[in-house]
Amino acid sequence: DTAVSQTPKYLVTQMGNDKSIKCEQNLGHDTMYWYKQDSKKFLKIMFSYNNKELIINETVPNRFSPKSPDKAHLNLHINSLELGDSAVYFCASSQVIGAEGTDTQYFGPGTRLTVL
Amino acid sequence: ELKVEQNPLFLSMQEGKNYTIYCNYSTTSDRLYWYRQDPGKSLESLFVLLSNGAVKQEGRLMASLDTKARLSTLHITAAVHDLSATYFCAVDITNFGNEKLTFGTGTRLTIIP
Repeated sequence: DTAVSQTPKYLVTQMGNDKSIKCEQNLGHDTMYWYKQDSKKFLKIMFSYNNKELIINETVPNRFSPKSPDKAHLNLHINSLELGDSAVYFCASSQVIGAEGTDTQYFGPGTRLTVL
Repeated sequence: ELKVEQNPLFLSMQEGKNYTIYCNYSTTSDRLYWYRQDPGKSLESLFVLLSNGAVKQEGRLMASLDTKARLSTLHITAAVHDLSATYFCAVDITNFGNEKLTFGTGTRLTIIP
């Protein structure tokens, strides 16, 4: 019954490795997002997809590549991991409600990435 | 670039007291959200404020929006320990249905028995 789910919950890896985080939503929403929350709890949007199409790319390094195989899934692949990538990554989804904007965003449980 | 500032960043208060968290933002927007985050947990939506003068209340929390002043407040009435969490405001700039939320710095609230 989980609305927005992410796997894995925890990810510990060495510098230079490549890793992926998966996100799925069962709310029927059109739009999905990736956010990064740093050690100071600051939340910043990284990407958003609407119906599998990339909408927002917030000057994130090329090492980060989102992929949306369908509108219910948005995965995040990270190449050549660096120490500064350590953070909690949240997936979210929302529904477009016309020209006025979108409904509230629903967040997944987060993936805590630690790069050693 | 949109800036969203919250204050205070840290708030420690006794049970039973009232207090207000402030959220200021730098660009015109008429849509603002408040979220709650418990330690190690995800973000939970509290309020969506969609227009100037909007006021919403849920239990001991009340949120308001003044779009002319670019200010939202989250008021806590008669605080209880369960309200201890980090509270974020987030301002929405939507272009053609594509929403972009910019989050404030967060206010870590600790309620002392």
